[in-house]
Amino acid sequence: AQSVTQLDSQVPVFEEAPVELRCNYSSSVSVYLFWYVQYPNQGLQLLLKYLSGSTLVKGINGFEAEFNKSQTSFHLRKPSVHISDTAEYFCAVNIRDDKIIFGKGTRLHILP
Amino acid sequence: GAGVSQTPSNKVTEKGKYVELRCDPISGHTALYWYRQSLGQGPEFLIYFQGTGAADDSGLPNDRFFAVRPEGSVSTLKIQRTERGDSAVYLCASSPGGAGGETQYFGPGTRLLVL
Repeated sequence: AQSVTQLDSQVPVFEEAPVELRCNYSSSVSVYLFWYVQYPNQGLQLLLKYLSGSTLVKGINGFEAEFNKSQTSFHLRKPSVHISDTAEYFCAVNIRDDKIIFGKGTRLHILP
Repeated sequence: GAGVSQTPSNKVTEKGKYVELRCDPISGHTALYWYRQSLGQGPEFLIYFQGTGAADDSGLPNDRFFAVRPEGSVSTLKIQRTERGDSAVYLCASSPGGAGGETQYFGPGTRLLVL
């Protein structure tokens, strides 16, 4: 069975500082990987996804993530965060034509 | 075009009552998914429709939960004899064809509170 672990439930970071949100997954087969974001009082929105090919994936709002097969990780990064990045971020995996399995989420707090 | 819509946005009910939650997917999307998100958790899969049929209902917690999609568009999640533990945000998502790796587009959710 597949599973997703987000190691940090909350990450505080100063505005304009870099941030990394960590995600590890477990699967015996190849997976597709996603990062979704949930802004306050809004629905889930796709940030980026990895299907195949280049292991560095760029998404919206300046975010990027790197797929590392040997470490079964898919960490999300942004070089300089803004107050508008305050949200909850979910890492997720999918193996075929049905469910996405989500991690528990990481709440990103931007400090002024 | 319009995104995924869900009604009602909030539902308060009493323990033991029956509730229906509605999802209107993006037009033309054949795949539709229901998830449940409890406080402090990520969304958990409930059921997946491909067209009118439930292709995977392995996430439904028990037989009090049932979902339909009779015409391959709008879907209704039905919960009988609600319990306080059913309180959560119920999310609906749709995707164009349901293929692996396809982006699922989420609605705003229905917040269910069982008193």
